[in-house]
Amino acid sequence: DGGITQSPKYLFRKEGQNVTLSCEQNLNHDAMYWYRQDPGQGLRLIYYSQIVNDFQKGDIAEGYSVSREKKESFPLTVTSAQKNPTAFYLCASRAGLAGIYEQYFGPGTRLTVT
Amino acid sequence: SQQGEEDPQALSIQEGENATMNCSYKTSINNLQWYRQNSGRGLVHLILIRSNEREKHSGRLRVTLDTSKKSSSLLITASRAADTASYFCATPGGSYIPTFGRGTSLIVHP
Repeated sequence: DGGITQSPKYLFRKEGQNVTLSCEQNLNHDAMYWYRQDPGQGLRLIYYSQIVNDFQKGDIAEGYSVSREKKESFPLTVTSAQKNPTAFYLCASRAGLAGIYEQYFGPGTRLTVT
Repeated sequence: SQQGEEDPQALSIQEGENATMNCSYKTSINNLQWYRQNSGRGLVHLILIRSNEREKHSGRLRVTLDTSKKSSSLLITASRAADTASYFCATPGGSYIPTFGRGTSLIVHP
């Protein structure tokens, strides 16, 4: 099956701990994205990447970090510097950055920090 | 940075009725896309309409685009309980990054 996988589906962490969310795609897409979604809210862009070893900050990058060492993988680390990390995190990919393409989304990871 | 805004925020209808939701945006676009999100899941792409198109159909979905008014509408005909979900419009923002509104929450009662 082609698509995007995110793991784990649910994640619980204590305050002060860093946590890494996994995102893998086998669609051979160049562009990948991380969004954060809070209850009743839209999607806010955290980071995006259009090519291996390159990534750009989105609207709410503070307290987060990413890497793009492989085309198919774009993990997100939520650091202890993120003031309010509890949220639903969505990873997405797209065939290209420019041009008209649809986005493909993973199933999401719900992170709870206490 | 938010570009599109959906309206209404919430919509409750009976099975068999039509559901209409709207999206307004601020700057010129070359395409607009609609997505569906079931509770606790990722988004699923429904339909894409380009700026030179006025209307597009896909099954029970009908999307219109009025670039002069900077607005789009999504019509779901003969709604089913399975259509219960949140619906988002997405428009290209800076660096062609898709930006999403807060969505319309649709509940279809059986």
